[in-house]
Amino acid sequence: GDSVTQMEGPVTLSEEAFLTINCTYTATGYPSLFWYVQYPGEGLQLLLKATKADDKGSNKGFEATYRKETTSFHLEKGSVQVSDSAVYFCALSLGETGYALNFGKGTSLLVTP
Amino acid sequence: DGGITQSPKYLFRKEGQNVTLSCEQNLNHDAMYWYRQDPGQGLRLIYYSQIVNDFQKGDIAEGYSVSREKKESFPLTVTSAQKNPTAFYLCASSITASNQPQHFGDGTRLSIL
Repeated sequence: GDSVTQMEGPVTLSEEAFLTINCTYTATGYPSLFWYVQYPGEGLQLLLKATKADDKGSNKGFEATYRKETTSFHLEKGSVQVSDSAVYFCALSLGETGYALNFGKGTSLLVTP
Repeated sequence: DGGITQSPKYLFRKEGQNVTLSCEQNLNHDAMYWYRQDPGQGLRLIYYSQIVNDFQKGDIAEGYSVSREKKESFPLTVTSAQKNPTAFYLCASSITASNQPQHFGDGTRLSIL
């Protein structure tokens, strides 16, 4: 079945470090891909998305490129801040044939001053 | 501001008791969803609704029930048949089921007394 696999956390970085959170997927069709962020005690917020191969989603300094050849959608940020500390979820949706999001298990990020 | 409102934020259930979690949206979205989140786990789909008066089971529907009598409302009842109900419950909506992304509420944390 369709699934998403994320790197396990927690990930601990110093402020201004480079961030990569790996995400790979398995899907029978052509999914749309998403990154969501969850701050403590809150719901999920959409961070960025990509709907077709080679699309790059970007928001708030975060980027991810939809790589069909490697079935990946890795999240990157060039310089993290303490305020980026949160749990990050990769997810996929199959659009016309899908009805909900398949989520990865989440990766916890802690950024220290 | 448009959004999704979940209430209450915290809820306690006694053994053998049914409880209902509220979810209201003013985004004029057709599709609504309920997810369950456990520590260290991704989100798992409980139920979803593509349109008023229609809903379908997700991956973990046993012990839960829903209704969709109004477009803006999608309440979730956790019944006494759900033996392990302690979790964080998230409600989401999207324009349609095939038109992602989903927007999330801030969640309800359910605990057993």
